[in-house]
Amino acid sequence: DGGITQSPKYLFRKEGQNVTLSCEQNLNHDAMYWYRQDPGQGLRLIYYSQIVNDFQKGDIAEGYSVSREKKESFPLTVTSAQKNPTAFYLCASSVSGPGNTIYFGEGSWLTVV
Amino acid sequence: AQSVTQPDIHITVSEGASLELRCNYSYGATPYLFWYVQSPGQGLQLLLKYFSGDTLVQGIKGFEAEFKRSQSSFNLRKPSVHWSDAAEYFCAVGVVVFGNEKLTFGTGTRLTIIP
Repeated sequence: DGGITQSPKYLFRKEGQNVTLSCEQNLNHDAMYWYRQDPGQGLRLIYYSQIVNDFQKGDIAEGYSVSREKKESFPLTVTSAQKNPTAFYLCASSVSGPGNTIYFGEGSWLTVV
Repeated sequence: AQSVTQPDIHITVSEGASLELRCNYSYGATPYLFWYVQSPGQGLQLLLKYFSGDTLVQGIKGFEAEFKRSQSSFNLRKPSVHWSDAAEYFCAVGVVVFGNEKLTFGTGTRLTIIP
């Protein structure tokens, strides 16, 4: 079935460690996105990519990094520089162009211990 | 910069009653507007979207929304809610920046259904 797969679903990290969240889509979408969700704050855009080998910072990119080496994949690395990384992370994708529906994965929970 | 306001953090409705969730946006041009629903610990599912044309938009699961430019609003409605509608609802505005589309979300409204 077509869709967006995020892994792992739950991840625990010690302070000072980097961690990478995986996002794979088989929808043949050009655009991919990473959002962070915190209680009471809605979703905030971290990074987005419209084509392979190109990506742009969103509203809260500090402490995060991404790569887009393949159309299907858009991994997110949460670095030790991210001050408050515990959150729910959502990957999304869409056909490029205005007004197109953005589809979401099931999310990954990251907890820093 | 664009913004979205959902003034109701939490709404409780009896099963079978009507529902209206409020959404106000701020954007200089005509926006693309979306409503998404999220069950606990899950991703978001699109309910409906406004792109252009008819200002009353029909969506899935019996939901509809009306775009009112004069009020900068895009309220979500359902005539009769079901227990399965309990979830969190997010309004979003899509804008195109240098050819790239970005979604800005409201903070969400949590809907509780009582029997």
